[in-house]
Amino acid sequence: GDSVIQMQGQVTLSENDFLFINCTYSTTGYPTLFWYVQYSGEGPQLLLQVTTANNKGSSRGFEATYDKGTTSFHLQKTSVQEIDSAVYYCAMRHTEGADRLTFGKGTQLIIQP
Amino acid sequence: GGIITQTPKFLIGQEGQKLTLKCQQNFNHDTMYWYRQDSGKGLRLIYYSITENDLQKGDLSEGYDASREKKSSFSLTVTSAQKNEMAVFLCASTTGGAHEQYFGPGTRLTVL
Repeated sequence: GDSVIQMQGQVTLSENDFLFINCTYSTTGYPTLFWYVQYSGEGPQLLLQVTTANNKGSSRGFEATYDKGTTSFHLQKTSVQEIDSAVYYCAMRHTEGADRLTFGKGTQLIIQP
Repeated sequence: GGIITQTPKFLIGQEGQKLTLKCQQNFNHDTMYWYRQDSGKGLRLIYYSITENDLQKGDLSEGYDASREKKSSFSLTVTSAQKNEMAVFLCASTTGGAHEQYFGPGTRLTVL
């Protein structure tokens, strides 16, 4: 069945470090892929999305490339700041039942000042 | 812009009690969702609705009922609260399909 895998439950970095959060997906076809970010006390909000395979999405310094070969959609940022501390969710739109998303388990990013 | 409002923000109930969570959106979105958020388990879909009076089961619908009597509101009922379902419940809405889902701030459920 459809699934989204985020292996990293928590990532701890210092300010100005490079961020890499792993995400892989499993489904048939070429789904739309998303990254959502959830700040403490708030609901998740869309960070970026990519519809077309091999395209890159970017927002607020974050980037993710839709790699259909490795079925991955890793999130990267060159230099993280303390305000980036949040939980990051990778998600996939089902190719069948297109009103639904499947979310990964989330990765908590902690930035030490 | 619009907003999603969830009430109450905190809900405390007794084991076996029937509890209702409410969600309102003023985006005029067609599709609304209820998710359960457990630490380390991500967001799991309970119910969703693509239009007024429509209900679709998600992956975690057992033990829950939902109601979409108006386009702007979507309620979730925990039919018999259990201690192992203490979590944050998130409501979301979208115009549909691959469009962005907008989330409310959540209702935190505690079962005594």
